[in-house]
Amino acid sequence: DAGITQSPRHKVTETGTPVTLRCHQTENHRYMYWYRQDPGHGLRLIHYSYGVKDTDKGEVSDGYSVSRSKTEDFLLTLESATSSQTSVYFCASQTDSGNTIYFGEGSWLTVV
Amino acid sequence: RKEVEQDPGPFNVPEGATVAFNCTYSNSASQSFFWYRQDCRKEPKLLMSVYSSGNEDGRFTAQLNRASQYISLLIRDSKLSDSATYLCVVNRAAGNKLTFGGGTRVLVKP
Repeated sequence: DAGITQSPRHKVTETGTPVTLRCHQTENHRYMYWYRQDPGHGLRLIHYSYGVKDTDKGEVSDGYSVSRSKTEDFLLTLESATSSQTSVYFCASQTDSGNTIYFGEGSWLTVV
Repeated sequence: RKEVEQDPGPFNVPEGATVAFNCTYSNSASQSFFWYRQDCRKEPKLLMSVYSSGNEDGRFTAQLNRASQYISLLIRDSKLSDSATYLCVVNRAAGNKLTFGGGTRVLVKP
């Protein structure tokens, strides 16, 4: 398996506070992704990155921003957390050939 | 219409039986197809890629039907450990992004 880790793994935060989730990969993959997974919706793409400082929006990007200052790190920020952002967040990285995507173990976020 | 659709199940399967399910996709320009497996509260993991000619990996067989725009997964001799959610993944033609179906839940029972 690819070396991809997420932190924190679990977090409870209050509505209106900013939250940053970190994804770190050691495979030098150019492509990285942030998904959220909710019952009835499956995995939905929030933001993705094609390389350092090269990011774009996915289908559910409102309320989220990302940054990628190094190949290995992809940060997801909830600018002002809302209860609708309670979810499990998965980071992923993809081989340059596009054949395989590897996931981190997930970050469980609860906004109260 | 969702870009990638799956029957959510659950498919209740007796141990040792065969189960098969499909995934339909709407973008005819889709180029790559995969099946991922996800266990409860775990991350998705690649089960197998799906090739045009069909491919087999042990008890698992994947097929691609481009004309009807669906892929299928067949599990033979089901084991209790096969209980999981199976995600269909499609690589769209534009960019290198992957689109996930909602998953099909399989429950193998003794």
